[in-house]
Amino acid sequence: GENVEQHPSTLSVQEGDSAVIKCTYSDSASNYFPWYKQELGKGPQLIIDIRSNVGEKKDQRIAVTLNKTAKHFSLHITETQPEDSAVYFCAASPLNQGGKLIFGQGTELSVKP
Amino acid sequence: GAVVSQHPSRVICKSGTSVKIECRSLDFQATTMFWYRQFPKQSLMLMATSNEGSKATYEQGVEKDKFLINHASLTLSTLTVTSAHPEDSSFYICSATRGPGNTIYFGEGSWLTVV
Repeated sequence: GENVEQHPSTLSVQEGDSAVIKCTYSDSASNYFPWYKQELGKGPQLIIDIRSNVGEKKDQRIAVTLNKTAKHFSLHITETQPEDSAVYFCAASPLNQGGKLIFGQGTELSVKP
Repeated sequence: GAVVSQHPSRVICKSGTSVKIECRSLDFQATTMFWYRQFPKQSLMLMATSNEGSKATYEQGVEKDKFLINHASLTLSTLTVTSAHPEDSSFYICSATRGPGNTIYFGEGSWLTVV
């Protein structure tokens, strides 16, 4: 089955700097890759997603890149702000499994003012 | 606003009792709902996939007789933890989608504490 590895587990940056979180997946048939932000005690919130027919997607300060050949995808946050501090999860959705998501281990991002 | 609602957000129950958690899609019909469990400082682990009108599909290692899932309508799925034990204490999260290829929305989660 699908396996998703996420790095780093913790990331600390200064306000205004960029943050990059990387994930690799094992199932080449996976075709949907969302990123979620989770604040303490709350459910995950979708922040951006990318499908396998696209290499890059951007939404204001957030961007995601996908390399299907290497089976990895990355989240880029520019101009980080203290409110970006949270745990971020990547996920992969295997093809023809009804939307099942396999999550990475999570990255705790801390943005210092 | 939230498109998937979970209830209750927090529940405490006694060991040996059963507790039910509801997951509702608020403004769309969810053909598929998923249930996850998350322990502190860990990732979300998929427990089961629930399709409206059919039996849930459980992930390996998840006891289907302990975690009863019902998806009786296109807007409601329930997870019942039967004969709860302290080790069942966790954060339970549901997600819902209109179907394959559609956005997957998560609920706010339900904290279960078994004492």
